Amino acid sequence: EPEVTQTPSHQVTQMGQEVILRCVPISNHLYFYWYRQILGQKVEFLVSFYNNEISEKSEIFDDQFSVERPDGSNFTLKIRSTKLEDSAMYFCASSDGLAGFYNEQFFGPGTRLTVL
Amino acid sequence: DQQVKQNSPSLSVQEGRISILNCDYTNSMFDYFLWYKKYPAEGPTFLISISSIKDKNEDGRFTVFLNKSAKHLSLHIVPSQPGDSAVYFCAASVSSGSARQLTFGSGTQLTVLP
Repeated sequence: EPEVTQTPSHQVTQMGQEVILRCVPISNHLYFYWYRQILGQKVEFLVSFYNNEISEKSEIFDDQFSVERPDGSNFTLKIRSTKLEDSAMYFCASSDGLAGFYNEQFFGPGTRLTVL
Repeated sequence: DQQVKQNSPSLSVQEGRISILNCDYTNSMFDYFLWYKKYPAEGPTFLISISSIKDKNEDGRFTVFLNKSAKHLSLHIVPSQPGDSAVYFCAASVSSGSARQLTFGSGTQLTVLP
């Protein structure tokens, strides 16, 4: 069964450093998402991406964040200068985006980001 | 921001009995609802969904009920199995364009006792 994969599973970084979290969405999916879950809190939407551009973004997704689909398979989330409060599980998701249908989003296993 | 609420942080049920997980929402624009199951150290796994044009959707042991007037949905698991023990998240979205961000509830930890 196709699945979303994410690397690395755990990333430890120093405050102020740049990190790139990587995702490989399901191959025929057209819509890509990043969510995060701070320990003990809800899963929160960060950004959605379609047709090589951002479709929606939340207030969390400020200028320190960026997303990219550098090739036909990878989808990345970059945090330019990490803060302590960026420590969280980051989930990538994808959906097939069939027109006229409501689409389930399929999630990857997550990357645990720890900012020291 | 409490647009999607799961008021029960935990629920324990005997194996073979029914599990009922509840979710309330406040945003009347939500028109698509999903349930996800999550094990520790894994991502949310899609279980079942329902659109606002329906009031019930069934898939095997899982049934989701939607009461739009009460802004309430519930997930029924019958019969419950020990492998169902996990955190269950309710999520909702608005049909704006095609990229629909999900708004999640805080989750309910279901424990099915053998």
